[in-house]
Amino acid sequence: DAGVIQSPRHEVTEMGQEVTLRCKPISGHNSLFWYRQTMMRGLELLIYFNNNVPIDDSGMPEDRFSAKMPNASFSTLKIQPSEPRDSAVYFCAITTGPGGGYNEQFFGPGTRLTVL
Amino acid sequence: GDSVTQMEGPVTLSEEAFLTINCTYTATGYPSLFWYVQYPGEGLQLLLKATKADDKGSNKGFEATYRKETTSFHLEKGSVQVSDSAVYFCALRNGGSQGNLIFGKGTKLSVKP
Repeated sequence: DAGVIQSPRHEVTEMGQEVTLRCKPISGHNSLFWYRQTMMRGLELLIYFNNNVPIDDSGMPEDRFSAKMPNASFSTLKIQPSEPRDSAVYFCAITTGPGGGYNEQFFGPGTRLTVL
Repeated sequence: GDSVTQMEGPVTLSEEAFLTINCTYTATGYPSLFWYVQYPGEGLQLLLKATKADDKGSNKGFEATYRKETTSFHLEKGSVQVSDSAVYFCALRNGGSQGNLIFGKGTKLSVKP
């Protein structure tokens, strides 16, 4: 079964601190996505990778946000410096399979970030 | 650009009531359509999908039919249970199998015993 591990599950930090969120796909995948979910804005795509290459980062809110995928088994989303408005749940998701326009996205459990 | 609009919640129903959550979309071409469900404290899970016009996706008693003429993909269930309480997201994917999903804002469903 495809799956996604995210860490930490909860993060509380102070404004100005650096925050690093981690995503580890359990099984093989083709694409990896980072989303942010808030009550006000709903679910927003931040960035996605195909075969470890960033394809679309137009959803990254500003230069304080950066994402990397150094290998097929690991991705990070970094916020530096963090601000209270970054408080949200951040999800990592993957797709697998040969293609066809209907591949399911498997979501991780999310990281709940609170910036004080 | 492509977009998804779904009815605002929250929706509160009694157990065994009929459920409809409306979803309409705007897209060029022939997108694939999805319903995802998010239970409290969890990530999103695929509920059902349809890849072409007139397809009906179904799972766990939920159904949705891809209506190209009305650009809709309404979610229905004949008899809801308390365990169906969750947030439901309509989504579309256009332009290929590895592209991103575009989500609606979600509809929170609460089912009372």
